[in-house]
Amino acid sequence: SAVISQKPSRDICQRGTSLTIQCQVDSQVTMMFWYRQQPGQSLTLIATANQGSEATYESGFVIDKFPISRPNLTFSTLTVSNMSPEDSSIYLCSVGTGETEAFFGQGTRLTVV
Amino acid sequence: GQNIDQPTEMTATEGAIVQINCTYQTSGFNGLFWYQQHAGEAPTFLSYNVLDGLEEKGRFSSFLSRSKGYSYLLLKELQMKDSASYLCAVMDSNYQLIWGAGTKLIIKP
Repeated sequence: SAVISQKPSRDICQRGTSLTIQCQVDSQVTMMFWYRQQPGQSLTLIATANQGSEATYESGFVIDKFPISRPNLTFSTLTVSNMSPEDSSIYLCSVGTGETEAFFGQGTRLTVV
Repeated sequence: GQNIDQPTEMTATEGAIVQINCTYQTSGFNGLFWYQQHAGEAPTFLSYNVLDGLEEKGRFSSFLSRSKGYSYLLLKELQMKDSASYLCAVMDSNYQLIWGAGTKLIIKP
């Protein structure tokens, strides 16, 4: 199993500002995933972050809006840039490779006002 | 396209049994996962099926039929703490998880 520490757990931000979310894993993992979960909905994959290469973004998500860093095999950050109220959501990081289950961080509840 | 279908909401009585169904159409198949998610919390792993049949784990069981693109999660002896959303997710040929919208389970005393 993997233990993931994600922070902040929640934040209220002004529109037009940026927030960086951090995920720290207690073991080395190849792939980390960033999800968004809007109220009452399921998880939507934003991007896959591999160490040593640029993140791979899903349709509808772009690097300028959601820049991701992956400096080593235990850490990643997701930045939500130039925020608007539509970005209010829960953001989750997860790890899991191949056939292993996905382990999630505690989530970041973001409210943009 | 890829698609996971599960009921939006179900209601059951404490002590009873409930079955949550999930049907899927994906590009390849490398296993099906069930997760439990309490309101305001991250999903937690419940079960993993990659071969046809039933996997039992305590009060929870999960069934898979790959030929039918079908799975169910069976919860027995329901407790109030089982009130949560249950997410079905399929790992496709690229080892990416495709998520269903989740089934909100309401347990009544």
